[in-house]
Amino acid sequence: GAGVSQSPRYKVTKRGQDVALRCDPISGHVSLYWYRQALGQGPEFLTYFNYEAQQDKSGLPNDRFSAERPEGSISTLTIQRTEQRDSAMYRCASSSSPGGARETQYFGPGTRLLVL
Amino acid sequence: SQQGEEDPQALSIQEGENATMNCSYKTSINNLQWYRQNSGRGLVHLILIRSNEREKHSGRLRVTLDTSKKSSSLLITASRAADTASYFCATDAKATGRRALTFGSGTRLQVQP
Repeated sequence: GAGVSQSPRYKVTKRGQDVALRCDPISGHVSLYWYRQALGQGPEFLTYFNYEAQQDKSGLPNDRFSAERPEGSISTLTIQRTEQRDSAMYRCASSSSPGGARETQYFGPGTRLLVL
Repeated sequence: SQQGEEDPQALSIQEGENATMNCSYKTSINNLQWYRQNSGRGLVHLILIRSNEREKHSGRLRVTLDTSKKSSSLLITASRAADTASYFCATDAKATGRRALTFGSGTRLQVQP
């Protein structure tokens, strides 16, 4: 595709519900990253993949958060038993090579999650 | 934790003036990147400068990097109202080889028409 796409763009859910956020990276991009951004702050790293392999999940805040990229393209970030503190903008990025931070990361528009 | 910290936190200038934003970071890096975020939009990559580079230009943007001071600056010349946005610096972590970017808190730039 022309850019990184994310869906849904907005998600309102009740506390305790599970949510799944989707990221479709730029076609052919090897690496995919998930970040979380609180209002007025910069994005914070959650996890990243090279192809289908999850390389680093050290940024996931707890075990309610998980991510997968089963076919090395589309990725899903799942938050189980959501809490109000999970409310944030969730951003996905992709880069063309496994060089990671040595290469430009292209960001999607984000999914704004609101947990009531 | 935030590796890069931008300064100032907020900046308001008149159209046509130059805007300078600074970023400081804590650990050795391979490169430093600047991103722009418009209200309601995603992050847009502006420029990447590698640790062995001292200055880089792209259009009206000029980025400098001083690895001895662990700092970078972004200069936007002849600013326009459309430059109104938040600007973030982002770095990797050379020592750990961590691939993810670490962002600062951003500088919110307001360009008055």
